[in-house]
Amino acid sequence: EDKVVQSPLSLVVHEGDTVTLNCSYEVTNFRSLLWYKQEKKAPTFLFMLTSSGIEKKSGRLSSILDKKELFSILNITATQTGDSAVYLCAVTLRGSQGNLIFGKGTKLSVKP
Amino acid sequence: GAVVSQHPSRVICKSGTSVKIECRSLDFQATTMFWYRQFPKQSLMLMATSNEGSKATYEQGVEKDKFLINHASLTLSTLTVTSAHPEDSSFYICSAREHRSNVGSYYNSPLHFGNGTRLTVT
Repeated sequence: EDKVVQSPLSLVVHEGDTVTLNCSYEVTNFRSLLWYKQEKKAPTFLFMLTSSGIEKKSGRLSSILDKKELFSILNITATQTGDSAVYLCAVTLRGSQGNLIFGKGTKLSVKP
Repeated sequence: GAVVSQHPSRVICKSGTSVKIECRSLDFQATTMFWYRQFPKQSLMLMATSNEGSKATYEQGVEKDKFLINHASLTLSTLTVTSAHPEDSSFYICSAREHRSNVGSYYNSPLHFGNGTRLTVT
């Protein structure tokens, strides 16, 4: 059975801290891994990763994929209270219609 | 950028009634849309894949007669929860990616999500 596992499930930090969120996967026919940020409603897209070792960056957020060890990390530096959200990791498979298989998410709370 | 609009955002209905949820791609065409359900503190679970002009494909355990999906155009998919019961109360969210003739380009573009519909059945 295809699965995506995120850790930790929840995390509380203070503003200015750096956090690392983890995502591991066990799937057949991996195509890509995506990170989303979900606040109250729709998940918003952060990154899509398809190749190992290539870091993607967007401001204070960055992510990298290791296809050999089957995991990805999402880093957030200098956290702000606005970073508080659930961060979702998802995987797409080759041969599928392109739907996402989600992990349970990591709930990040950034305290002032 | 790609925008997916979902309506209504919140609905409360009585047990036994039916509820229709609309999902529209506003600035792109989507031959395929995905319907997810999210229970509290759980992840998004795929319910069904909506295909324009053909029948939807449902995930195991999802009743197709209870969750009717219609994808009548390239920009609109609807999910109807028929004879709703309290256990159907959940957060329903649709998603789509822009249709592209290049298959590689299509799968390399991310899914975009609607804002979801909070359904409460009393």
